[in-house]
Amino acid sequence: EAGVVQSPRYKIIEKKQPVAFWCNPISGHNTLYWYLQNLGQGPELLIRYENEEAVDDSQLPKDRFSAERLKGVDSTLKIQPAELGDSAVYLCASSFSGANVLTFGAGSRLTVL
Amino acid sequence: GENVEQHPSTLSVQEGDSAVIKCTYSDSASNYFPWYKQELGKRPQLIIDIRSNVGEKKDQRIAVTLNKTAKHFSLHITETQPEDSAVYFCAASNNQFYFGTGTSLTVIP
Repeated sequence: EAGVVQSPRYKIIEKKQPVAFWCNPISGHNTLYWYLQNLGQGPELLIRYENEEAVDDSQLPKDRFSAERLKGVDSTLKIQPAELGDSAVYLCASSFSGANVLTFGAGSRLTVL
Repeated sequence: GENVEQHPSTLSVQEGDSAVIKCTYSDSASNYFPWYKQELGKRPQLIIDIRSNVGEKKDQRIAVTLNKTAKHFSLHITETQPEDSAVYFCAASNNQFYFGTGTSLTVIP
């Protein structure tokens, strides 16, 4: 089993540029999460999908962040335009259902210059 | 929503000693409480979890206790080893996962 796969692992961009992150969850996991993790902090939820439906996006800054999970499998998180404060690790995670074991991907580390 | 508090933020112990990390939660509907270990630059990895119908769970040197009445749960690591050094996160879940702010554990050889 490949686990939760994320790409790219690292991305360096200048402010105001767009950036996109991709996540492929564990096969069969219907719930997918995007978390933001700042250095020394715990993961903070950005958005949660149940299949292709976003069931909780209340913490997603919708003026610049967007996400999609069109076929209920892999997902893309986009930031446009990026700001200096967006520098962080973006973690994707998946589970069979909201109350089951959560498995994280390796994360995408974003640096905005 | 749920609020998870975690203490201490940093913890240093001598190799062989025990380490205890404590978390509290606010939402009585939370029914699943996992603990994650995150080494520098790596993904959080599940090390142990407990559900609300159980008061204690043990896996070798790691144990977790849950007090539903007081809404707190704790991670206990016995006979600590240098490779236990990492950041540990607790979480509370009821369809949604809420994480604590982490405890940086250092085991001194």
